[in-house]
Amino acid sequence: DGGITQSPKYLFRKEGQNVTLSCEQNLNHDAMYWYRQDPGQGLRLIYYSQIVNDFQKGDIAEGYSVSREKKESFPLTVTSAQKNPTAFYLCASRQGQGLLNQPQHFGDGTRLSIL
Amino acid sequence: KQEVTQIPAALSVPEGENLVLNCSFTDSAIYNLQWFRQDPGKGLTSLLLIQSSQREQTSGRLNASLDKSSGRSTLYIAASQPGDSATYLCAVAHNNNDMRFGAGTRLTVKP
Repeated sequence: DGGITQSPKYLFRKEGQNVTLSCEQNLNHDAMYWYRQDPGQGLRLIYYSQIVNDFQKGDIAEGYSVSREKKESFPLTVTSAQKNPTAFYLCASRQGQGLLNQPQHFGDGTRLSIL
Repeated sequence: KQEVTQIPAALSVPEGENLVLNCSFTDSAIYNLQWFRQDPGKGLTSLLLIQSSQREQTSGRLNASLDKSSGRSTLYIAASQPGDSATYLCAVAHNNNDMRFGAGTRLTVKP
């Protein structure tokens, strides 16, 4: 079945450590997105990529980094510079280079906590 | 900057009741509006997408309306069921790759 796979489901980070969240899609979508969800708040965009080897900062990119070396993969690294990383992280994709008349498809998320 | 608000934050209804969830946005220059469902600990599932030129979309027991001029959308759920219990989020696409999400309405349908 086509879809978006995020791993791991739960992740714990020690202080000063970088951690990487995986996002893989087999929908052949061009555009991919990373969001952060905090309790009582809407999703906030961290980074997005419309095409391989290209990505753009969203509203809250500080302390995060991404890469897009393959169409199907868009990993997110939470660096030690992100001082409040505890949140639910959601990856999404969309057909076309961000065509807005197509709905976004979401993975099941990764919950990141600080040890 | 686009702001999206959903009221109420939580809603509890008995099974079988028809209900309306509200979404408002501050900038009417949107491309489309999308309603999502989120189950606890899960990602978002797209329910309905309304283009800016449309007034409403329907899927089964769900009907979403859009009034751009007043900055409002409603999601109508007919004959609610316990399986409808989830958080419902709306999101507006303001320009390319800029989607703004509301905080969601947590719906509980009691048997």
